Amino acid sequence: DSGVTQTPKHLITATGQRVTLRCSPRSGDLSVYWYQQSLDQGLQFLIQYYNGEERAKGNILERFSAQQFPDLHSELNLSSLELGDSALYFCASSTRRVRTSTDTQYFGPGTRLTVL
Amino acid sequence: AQTVTQSQPEMSVQEAETVTLSCTYDTSESDYYLFWYKQPPSRQMILVIRQEAYKQQNATENRFSVNFQKAAKSFSLKISDSQLGDAAMYFCAFLNFGNEKLTFGTGTRLTIIP
Repeated sequence: DSGVTQTPKHLITATGQRVTLRCSPRSGDLSVYWYQQSLDQGLQFLIQYYNGEERAKGNILERFSAQQFPDLHSELNLSSLELGDSALYFCASSTRRVRTSTDTQYFGPGTRLTVL
Repeated sequence: AQTVTQSQPEMSVQEAETVTLSCTYDTSESDYYLFWYKQPPSRQMILVIRQEAYKQQNATENRFSVNFQKAAKSFSLKISDSQLGDAAMYFCAFLNFGNEKLTFGTGTRLTIIP
């Protein structure tokens, strides 16, 4: 158990809908990262937050957005869902206490999203 | 941009034997980290081992060790005394110092033969 929690574990929805994925980082971790794992794209970085602020963006679609709350949990919002958005969405967290440092990312169990 | 290449889509090994998974990467940076993550059928991403580029000594974690060749940009994972629980997809990953995103390879599926 990495200490990172994600809810829900599974989500089945229809095209055009909106969903919210939730992540709680390990205790004390300030950074939260979101990754998407799909069959055709592999594992891809979406976005990162550090202590409530957006820190880095990857290949995240405009239909997707995220935020990190004062208690450090994070939510990834996916809207106008398409069939191709079906994937496993991972959240990871790292200690990274110094702003310019880098540390190991520990992954949550993931949320499997199925868009029908 | 950094790239990570895992040229072995699948590997298999007899239980109790040793297997080596290959990974190469491309970067112009000098300060970075390399990781191996394991993804068993449960789909959880589990950290196996980490190597800092500035360290010459190869990292070791119990039965898992790496062969880090910085000049060759190679980072292979050796699993000794393979166990059935080692069966999983293994991903090599790269992280620039000060950067935020992990860049992953395409993975190697490891099968353990009893």
